Amino acid sequence: DQQVKQNSPSLSVQEGRISILNCDYTNSMFDYFLWYKKYPAEGPTFLISISSIKDKNEDGRFTVFLNKSAKHLSLHIVPSQPGDSAVYFCAASDVDSGYALNFGKGTSLLVTP
Amino acid sequence: ETGVTQSPTHLIKTRGQQVTLRCSSQSGHNTVSWYQQALGQGPQFIFQYYREEENGRGNFPPRFSGLQFPNYSSELNVNALELDDSALYLCASSFGREEKLLFGSGTQLSVL
Repeated sequence: DQQVKQNSPSLSVQEGRISILNCDYTNSMFDYFLWYKKYPAEGPTFLISISSIKDKNEDGRFTVFLNKSAKHLSLHIVPSQPGDSAVYFCAASDVDSGYALNFGKGTSLLVTP
Repeated sequence: ETGVTQSPTHLIKTRGQQVTLRCSSQSGHNTVSWYQQALGQGPQFIFQYYREEENGRGNFPPRFSGLQFPNYSSELNVNALELDDSALYLCASSFGREEKLLFGSGTQLSVL
């Protein structure tokens, strides 16, 4: 069963606007969450992460928000740039699983000029 | 930074055959993980090796096996290939057991 869900397969945003990518999870044992970005013909690259003891983490244009009660996290990209066009994967882990990552199916973001 | 390199990049096999995929970790990294990404899906954890020992395993049958060598390079072996094994196989390395993984570009395996 899919423990990490990204319900929007694709998202299109204009350059300069905010991109919001959403992720839901079902396993309450997850305590660490990450976003990875993937370009075609490349492996996923780590983007940003957040521990369950926080509700927000910011790194430049990228901010991740965590709502534990709703089992929901989101990635905000402000301002969006054409180079941000990629597939974004949400992932989660817990210590008991030996740091194995559970990935969502991904959201394909297209930033148009 | 040497990065994570995987070989081959593409491979075609027939059902029932065996395959070995190879991975060279980032210099200084002692942990390697393997993931399978089927078309339209996110990567799924196969197993992880830490200091040459299997450290965790996902929901994959025993015909998926691995090795990590003293230089921290790694192999993924799949026996008795099935059509559903067709996927992108991703290797990732890290220093210690952590979630911020450095992924290779993957090996695209097609089973006919």
